[in-house]
Amino acid sequence: SQTIHQWPATLVQPVGSPLSLECTVEGTSNPNLYWYRQAAGRGLQLLFYSVGIGQISSEVPQNLSASRPQDRQFILSSKKLLLSDSGFYLCAWSFDLGPQETQYFGPGTRLLVL
Amino acid sequence: DAKTTQPPSMDCAEGRAANLPCNHSTISGNEYVYWYRQIHSQGPQYIIHGLKNNETNEMASLIITEDRKSSTLILPHATLRDTAVYYCIVSLNTGGFKTIFGAGTRLFVKA
Repeated sequence: SQTIHQWPATLVQPVGSPLSLECTVEGTSNPNLYWYRQAAGRGLQLLFYSVGIGQISSEVPQNLSASRPQDRQFILSSKKLLLSDSGFYLCAWSFDLGPQETQYFGPGTRLLVL
Repeated sequence: DAKTTQPPSMDCAEGRAANLPCNHSTISGNEYVYWYRQIHSQGPQYIIHGLKNNETNEMASLIITEDRKSSTLILPHATLRDTAVYYCIVSLNTGGFKTIFGAGTRLFVKA
């Protein structure tokens, strides 16, 4: 069976500090991978998605970046965090099945920038 | 891009059926209707999806109208643990398979 891991679970960082959040998927090959952010009490905002190693698409302009160095590893980074980067960050994976694309989410990382 | 409309919140008594509506009047012929839910402080969880026919699994039933412009998610016997935000989504096949999560319906199951 497939599992998705995210770490850390919670993170408190000062403004201007760097960020690295990691997501890994087990039990599948060549998944689509996604990073979402959720502000408190709000819906999910798609940040990045990837259909393969080294292939990253960005949905919104921001000071965040994503990388996919390995097939089942997806990393979210920032060189300098802003207060507005606080939120709940979710990684998800899916199979490439066209309109029938079910996404499976990780447990999330709660980031607080102070 | 098809979009969905859901009521912001609903209440349901424990043990009763919870019926969550969703409008998706601009859905295209090859787009599926998906339902996810998000329990507080957790990642969203897939519930069910369908194209034209009604679907049922161990978690819920999905009723899609004949014109496919709306659907209803049914939790047959709601429990307190079903309190969550429920998202109705129409899958987008636009390369990269982007799924848009709106605000959803916040379901409160009360004892």
